Amino acid sequence: EVQLVQSGAEVKKPGESLRISCKGSGYSFTGYWITWVRQMPGKGLEWMGRIDPDDSYTNYSPSFQGHVTMSADKSISTAYLQWSTLKASDTAMYYCARHGPIGTSSNYLDYWGQGALVTVSS
Amino acid sequence: QSVLTQPPSVSAAPGQKVTISCSGSSSNIGNNYVSWYQQLPGTAPKLLIYENNKRPSGIPDRFSGSKSGTSATLAITGLQTGDEADYYCGTWDSSLSAGVFGGGTDLTVL
Repeated sequence: EVQLVQSGAEVKKPGESLRISCKGSGYSFTGYWITWVRQMPGKGLEWMGRIDPDDSYTNYSPSFQGHVTMSADKSISTAYLQWSTLKASDTAMYYCARHGPIGTSSNYLDYWGQGALVTVSS
Repeated sequence: QSVLTQPPSVSAAPGQKVTISCSGSSSNIGNNYVSWYQQLPGTAPKLLIYENNKRPSGIPDRFSGSKSGTSATLAITGLQTGDEADYYCGTWDSSLSAGVFGGGTDLTVL
């Protein structure tokens, strides 16, 4: 069974750093992109970027480029989303999702993590 | 402002049919596959339709997708109260080299 399990909720202060994780199981982790999606409170889905877990190649949305860093450790089938300096506006639910097979034109997100709520408040 | 345009809300009675539109451009819908997602309240999104009109295993055939030019449509027949959710279209944007979503449509089953 394909599963993506994300780390738990976080409460941070502005200016702090944070890394959240997404562990894949039940499939070849290096065969599929991992995409990160933001959902701010009461708002819609926003595509942040994706990472190839095999070589850590990334595509960032222009809206998120420079604000977050995506990484992966294929030895433990885990992808990460990281902030060096959090802002209150980073408060949101963050989802990881499996993107269609690497090397194909598939762009759908077929399996999703349960989400990680990040709250940034002084 | 989302790259893909969806109506904010739609509604219909139980048993009826509803359609949700998703409008884009040649850099996204016009030249890439479209997918649709259902997000029930308080849960993670779920894939409903991929590659314009394909259903993942377990998705009932009450849900169907289509694409024409730079627009796509999700149709839901035999509406049930359990279908009340937010629905999102998504695709790749070749100009942005990034994925994009619509703003989402809130479905109410009256």
